[in-house]
Amino acid sequence: GQQLNQSPQSMFIQEGEDVSMNCTSSSIFNTWLWYKQDPGEGPVLLIALYKAGELTSNGRLTAQFGITRKDSFLNISASIPSDVGIYFCAGRGSNYKLTFGKGTLLTVNP
Amino acid sequence: EAQVTQNPRYLITVTGKKLTVTCSQNMNHEYMSWYRQDPGLGLRQIYYSMNVEVTDKGDVPEGYKVSRKEKRNFPLILESPSPNQTSLYFCASSWGQGAGEQFFGPGTRLTVL
Repeated sequence: GQQLNQSPQSMFIQEGEDVSMNCTSSSIFNTWLWYKQDPGEGPVLLIALYKAGELTSNGRLTAQFGITRKDSFLNISASIPSDVGIYFCAGRGSNYKLTFGKGTLLTVNP
Repeated sequence: EAQVTQNPRYLITVTGKKLTVTCSQNMNHEYMSWYRQDPGLGLRQIYYSMNVEVTDKGDVPEGYKVSRKEKRNFPLILESPSPNQTSLYFCASSWGQGAGEQFFGPGTRLTVL
């Protein structure tokens, strides 16, 4: 089946730093989604990408759909303590099945 | 408010005692899905439903059942729970045949002793 590699697994950064994480797939996706999960909560959608090469921003977050359709990255600029959480990428192929990465645990030191 | 609700949020039970986790959405979504989340394994899909009376297995369906008799509800049934089903469970829904963004419920933390 489809496999998603998300990296890094965890990050520990200082407040104000920029963050970058990415996902790569063994197969082509038609949609890339980025979610954030706060402790004790369900994942919440941050950004959705529908076209190869697409670059989309949501406040301090920017995500891109890779040209090859096998990768995506998420950047967070000027991190703040409330950015703490687990970030998941998810890709959807032609069969509509959503495959999730294993997540990036982000810790922001004030 | 558009939302996905799950009940219970927390459950401790014993091996073999049948249980049901309910899921309901008020967004008129066709697609609903159940996931389990385990440390180091991320989110894995258990079952999904494209519409009423249409359900199919996800990646880890063993030991679980689902039903979709109404559009808004998608209960997850564990007929004979075992300790390896101790996990955090999420229900999700989306518009279309799963083509839209999935909205997640708050999660149900299940412990099977």
